[in-house]
Amino acid sequence: AQSVTQLGSHVSVSEGALVLLRCNYSSSVPPYLFWYVQYPNQGLQLLLKYTSAATLVKGINGFEAEFKKSETSFHLTKPSAHMSDAAEYFCAVSGGGSEKLVFGKGTKLTVNP
Amino acid sequence: NAGVMQNPRHLVRRRGQEARLRCSPMKGHSHVYWYRQLPEEGLKFMVYLQKENIIDESGMPKERFSAEFPKEGPSILRIQQVVRGDSAAYFCASSPLETGSWNEQFFGPGTRLTVL
Repeated sequence: AQSVTQLGSHVSVSEGALVLLRCNYSSSVPPYLFWYVQYPNQGLQLLLKYTSAATLVKGINGFEAEFKKSETSFHLTKPSAHMSDAAEYFCAVSGGGSEKLVFGKGTKLTVNP
Repeated sequence: NAGVMQNPRHLVRRRGQEARLRCSPMKGHSHVYWYRQLPEEGLKFMVYLQKENIIDESGMPKERFSAEFPKEGPSILRIQQVVRGDSAAYFCASSPLETGSWNEQFFGPGTRLTVL
């Protein structure tokens, strides 16, 4: 069985500040890990994915995440927040292949001017 | 290449009516997944289909819900005798048929179902 815990349902940062969104996972098989972003009333867009290659993964819009097996974590970071980053972010895990995604509850990011 | 299309985008039903949600996958994609997003919750997997086959329906409620992906046409998620608790956003995702490590799922914009 797989599960995802996202710490902090709401995160607020100032424009230009570091963004850190936390994700911890549980998986009985080597996990595939993902971060998705959802803008209001829209579908989900893939930001980045870990599929057992490099542990530091770079995604779109300046985001990156590091897979840490010892900590079962896959935290999302961005060095400098932009107003357009305000959205809801979901961490997800799967067992790979064509398997279903198991999502966390999401973290709503607010960027203050 | 058009993305995943879902219609309607918004659907209002009264208790006891039927809801039909449609999903057209991206061109060339033969896998379809349905997820449900309740308020203040993440997405929950419902069902995974390939053309004419249900592969995994472990997330589907046992009653009132059904899904199909016919040889021709869109995938349909059908909810019979809707109740207020069915109010949610329903997302469809599709992925290509490729062997290998992982197939990215591309999400549609969702159908927001409101049950009065």
